[in-house]
Amino acid sequence: NAGVTQTPKFRVLKTGQSMTLLCAQDMNHEYMYWYRQDPGMGLRLIHYSVGEGTTAKGEVPDGYNVSRLKKQNFLLGLESAAPSQTSVYFCASRGEGSNQPQHFGDGTRLSIL
Amino acid sequence: AQSVTQPDIHITVSEGASLELRCNYSYGATPYLFWYVQSPGQGLQLLLKYFSGDTLVQGIKGFEAEFKRSQSSFNLRKPSVHWSDAAEYFCAVSNFGNEKLTFGTGTRLTIIP
Repeated sequence: NAGVTQTPKFRVLKTGQSMTLLCAQDMNHEYMYWYRQDPGMGLRLIHYSVGEGTTAKGEVPDGYNVSRLKKQNFLLGLESAAPSQTSVYFCASRGEGSNQPQHFGDGTRLSIL
Repeated sequence: AQSVTQPDIHITVSEGASLELRCNYSYGATPYLFWYVQSPGQGLQLLLKYFSGDTLVQGIKGFEAEFKRSQSSFNLRKPSVHWSDAAEYFCAVSNFGNEKLTFGTGTRLTIIP
């Protein structure tokens, strides 16, 4: 039972490069989320999705785009990477029903030089 | 807007001693509250959650938390810590319908022999 899988686990980019982070869940969850984690700041919500084909902005959406073309996948894109986007990125998903908790992937460590 | 405060950045406890991690929240209605644990290099694992009902909730690994509405608190406790409890702990509050989580900045727990 894989749960939430994030690809890649590590990546180093140069400023201005683009990349896409992939999140896949095998729990048939409706809701999916992208967070970034920075030292001393906890997790901050970037974008989220309440179902296939939907996306919404979170707390820190600038510089990121997302897509949810398939229910099981949630992609996070950086069009032009900046050093300020160096962070650890976490994906999470949760099932239908307001009493369901979020389940997290193991994270993607991204460094922008 | 909802918010969470974890006033202790770092706590050191002797193995076998009791533990209490503090969490205060700000939210205009009845909150949904969570505690997650993160081991180094890992994602977040749910310890316990509170939605309604009994204000003392039991979680995994021997942890419990008590919801106190009058103090806007949801403190995490464990009667006797083990070396394997060393990790970072995050408190989180959810908005109505549990659509989005807001995390505290975390408390890092160190266990000494």
